[in-house]
Amino acid sequence: GENVEQHPSTLSVQEGDSAVIKCTYSDSASNYFPWYKQELGKRPQLIIDIRSNVGEKKDQRIAVTLNKTAKHFSLHITETQPEDSAVYFCAANWPGTASKLTFGTGTRLQVTL
Amino acid sequence: DAGVIQSPRHEVTEMGQEVTLRCKPISGHNSLFWYRQTMMRGLELLIYFNNNVPIDDSGMPEDRFSAKMPNASFSTLKIQPSEPRDSAVYFCASNPGQNTEAFFGQGTRLTVV
Repeated sequence: GENVEQHPSTLSVQEGDSAVIKCTYSDSASNYFPWYKQELGKRPQLIIDIRSNVGEKKDQRIAVTLNKTAKHFSLHITETQPEDSAVYFCAANWPGTASKLTFGTGTRLQVTL
Repeated sequence: DAGVIQSPRHEVTEMGQEVTLRCKPISGHNSLFWYRQTMMRGLELLIYFNNNVPIDDSGMPEDRFSAKMPNASFSTLKIQPSEPRDSAVYFCASNPGQNTEAFFGQGTRLTVV
């Protein structure tokens, strides 16, 4: 199976600073790594994902990097804004099981003014 | 499409009562997932279906929990009898295939008193 660890559990940054959240996974055969954002009282929503055939992917202020050798992947948010405050979850798929995902324990990001 | 639809949004029930949570996945999606979210344990996958067939129910906590998917547009998660420790937010999610985004419903907040 797959085990995903996520750090830190909480992160506070000032508006305009960058935020980095890191995850590690256990199964080297995993090949799909999505990141979800969950605002208070709402559902998790995908913000970016990466597949194992690439090492980095960017979407405006958000980027994800993947190191397959080390089995870790990271979320980078630049120029943070108050609306980035939320809980962020990383996930990795279970190889050979089509769509099953294991989620990390989440990082609560607080962007302060 | 209206997205993944769950009902009810909130459920308060007494210990020992039967609880049924409902989910309508996005049309055309062939995988459906039930997750439970608590502060202590984060997002846990309870069970998932592929083409209406239960593929993995290893996350179902005990025999009090059961799930069905009688057709491609409907699934239920039943808890009988319910206990206070079952209190959580239960999310249903669906996706169209392997290594693709999982779309979450708005969740059902269950409180067992």
